[in-house]
Amino acid sequence: KAGVTQTPRYLIKTRGQQVTLSCSPISGHRSVSWYQQTPGQGLQFLFEYFSETQRNKGNFPGRFSGRQFSNSRSEMNVSTLELGDSALYLCASSLFSGSGNTIYFGEGSWLTVV
Amino acid sequence: QKEVEQNSGPLSVPEGAIASLNCTYSDRVSQSFFWYRQYSGKSPELIMSIYSNGDKEDGRFTAQLNKASQYVSLLIRDSQPSDSATYLCAVNRQGAQKLVFGQGTRLTINP
Repeated sequence: KAGVTQTPRYLIKTRGQQVTLSCSPISGHRSVSWYQQTPGQGLQFLFEYFSETQRNKGNFPGRFSGRQFSNSRSEMNVSTLELGDSALYLCASSLFSGSGNTIYFGEGSWLTVV
Repeated sequence: QKEVEQNSGPLSVPEGAIASLNCTYSDRVSQSFFWYRQYSGKSPELIMSIYSNGDKEDGRFTAQLNKASQYVSLLIRDSQPSDSATYLCAVNRQGAQKLVFGQGTRLTINP
């Protein structure tokens, strides 16, 4: 059974550009959430999607957005990139939304903003 | 006060010994508790989940939860060098998918 798949794995962008990251959840999983990991702030929740609806949002500016498609695949977008957006972006999936569900992480997308 | 607190370490343990990792959380409505292991340059990998008070064992790993004290721990028995990693404690509250992570504890197992 394939795990959570994220693309691209590595990317370098320039300040002011935008970036789109993609995530395919484990087959059958309907909840997809996104996290940002930096050395200073650790792992922080960005947002969660379930059945194409955003269920929960973390404390990030509006430059960070996401969506989920009918096949549960998800994308997140960061516009007007800043140097501080350099991070590992992790997608996670679970069968359902809500507490008590086991959450599995993908390998992540390493974003460097120069 | 941070929602989830862990000793950042580094924690150094000799091979074959028991490694003990601790985590406290502030939100009393937290319902689910997880331990993830993260190797350098890799993504977090789920080690244990625990939902009710007491101990839960899986191989060399034991998770312990005390909701009254808002405390969760992970014990690693017969520590191996391959256990050297950062261990992340994560909690989520009732009804929410959002995981809140601690800063992680760096564990080093010395041969």
